[in-house]
Amino acid sequence: GAVVSQHPSWVICKSGTSVKIECRSLDFQATTMFWYRQFPKQSLMLMATSNEGSKATYEQGVEKDKFLINHASLTLSTLTVTSAHPEDSSFYICSATLGTEAFFGQGTRLTVV
Amino acid sequence: AQTVTQSQPEMSVQEAETVTLSCTYDTSENNYYLFWYKQPPSRQMILVIRQEAYKQQNATENRFSVNFQKAAKSFSLKISDSQLGDTAMYFCAFPLFGAGNMLTFGGGTRLMVKP
Repeated sequence: GAVVSQHPSWVICKSGTSVKIECRSLDFQATTMFWYRQFPKQSLMLMATSNEGSKATYEQGVEKDKFLINHASLTLSTLTVTSAHPEDSSFYICSATLGTEAFFGQGTRLTVV
Repeated sequence: AQTVTQSQPEMSVQEAETVTLSCTYDTSENNYYLFWYKQPPSRQMILVIRQEAYKQQNATENRFSVNFQKAAKSFSLKISDSQLGDTAMYFCAFPLFGAGNMLTFGGGTRLMVKP
C-alpha cells in the first residue's frame, strides 16, 4: 500500500516555542491531507484539511493562528504549533487519501514542558 | 452531518475465541464506504477491512469479517480466533466524499485479548 511518513515521531519543547511536524506522501501525490489530534484513550479528532496550493480548512474550535498548516507541494504538508503551551501536548496524526483509502503517518507525540 | 457511534468503549476476549465490535452510523448518502481501523499500542493506524455500501455481500479479510446492515446503518466487526496481537483500539470510520474522503471516526473500542 501507499506510504505516508510523519516526522518527528516525538518531540519535547519548551513552553512558548514553536514546533513543526512534517507529513509526506512517499509514493503518491496528495492534493489533500488531513491533520488529526488524539488525546489519550480517545478517538481521532479532525483539526484541519490541508489543501495543496491553497489555505487550509480548519474545524470549528481549532485556532488557525496557533496551528499553522502549509501544503506547498503535492507530497508535503506541515503543521506548526506556534507558541506551544502544555495544553497543546497531544498525539498528532496526519493522513492522505489514495483512491478511497486513507493512509496514516506514524503520528507525533508532542510534549510541551 | 455524518455521525459514527461505537457503543462499547472496552471489550475483552479470550485468545482463540470470537468477538464482535459494534458500530452504527448516520448518513443521507446511498453509496459510500465504511472502514474499520486498528490502532495498536504503537499508535499506527492500520486498515483492517472495508465495506462498499452497494455490495450486499459482507466483506471478509482472513479472521476479520463484517456484518453490514445498510437499512439499519449498522457495521459490526467480527474477529474470529482472536490472537494476542489483536489487542488494540478499533475505530469504525466513514469517509465524506467531496471532502477528499475525510474520515469521521467513532469513539473507538479498546479490545483486550487475554491469554
